[in-house]
Amino acid sequence: NAGVMQNPRHLVRRRGQEARLRCSPMKGHSHVYWYRQLPEEGLKFMVYLQKENIIDESGMPKERFSAEFPKEGPSILRIQQVVRGDSAAYFCASSGLASTYNEQFFGPGTRLTVL
Amino acid sequence: KQEVTQIPAALSVPEGENLVLNCSFTDSAIYNLQWFRQDPGKGLTSLLLIQSSQREQTSGRLNASLDKSSGRSTLYIAASQPGDSATYLCAPRGGNEKLTFGTGTRLTIIP
Repeated sequence: NAGVMQNPRHLVRRRGQEARLRCSPMKGHSHVYWYRQLPEEGLKFMVYLQKENIIDESGMPKERFSAEFPKEGPSILRIQQVVRGDSAAYFCASSGLASTYNEQFFGPGTRLTVL
Repeated sequence: KQEVTQIPAALSVPEGENLVLNCSFTDSAIYNLQWFRQDPGKGLTSLLLIQSSQREQTSGRLNASLDKSSGRSTLYIAASQPGDSATYLCAPRGGNEKLTFGTGTRLTIIP
């Protein structure tokens, strides 16, 4: 039973490029969460999605960041026109149908470096 | 807005000792609280989930307690081992589904 999968594990982009981070939830999980961990800081919530719906994006920066979780395929976190301050570890988590009392299980993260 | 504090920020203990990590949170309206460990450069491993209606949860050498009304949780590690060295994070979860993380306690077990 594979856990939460994220790819790529490491991503290097130059300023102004786009970054696409992918997350495949655990089998049977339909709730996906993205968190960001800036250097020397704690993890911060970004966005919560269910299939084809954004439920809560209160932690997403207002510009350049978007997320989706299509009916088929992985969830995607997209960062347009990356800047050095976007360098961080981005973690995806998933939980099952009855999410209220379920654990969130985390993937290994994507470490984004912006040159 | 939920705020989470973990004390101490760093802790070093000799192998074999029992230890307690502390977590406090400002908003007691939580559904559950998870404890994680994070190894350097790695992802998060869920250790324990304690529901808001529970007082304690145990897994092996780990025991988590929760006092929701006072906004506190502790993680007790018995008979510590060098492999326990990691950063430990607590994260209460509110009705909006999202976890709020503390900055963690960096634990070092000295062989």
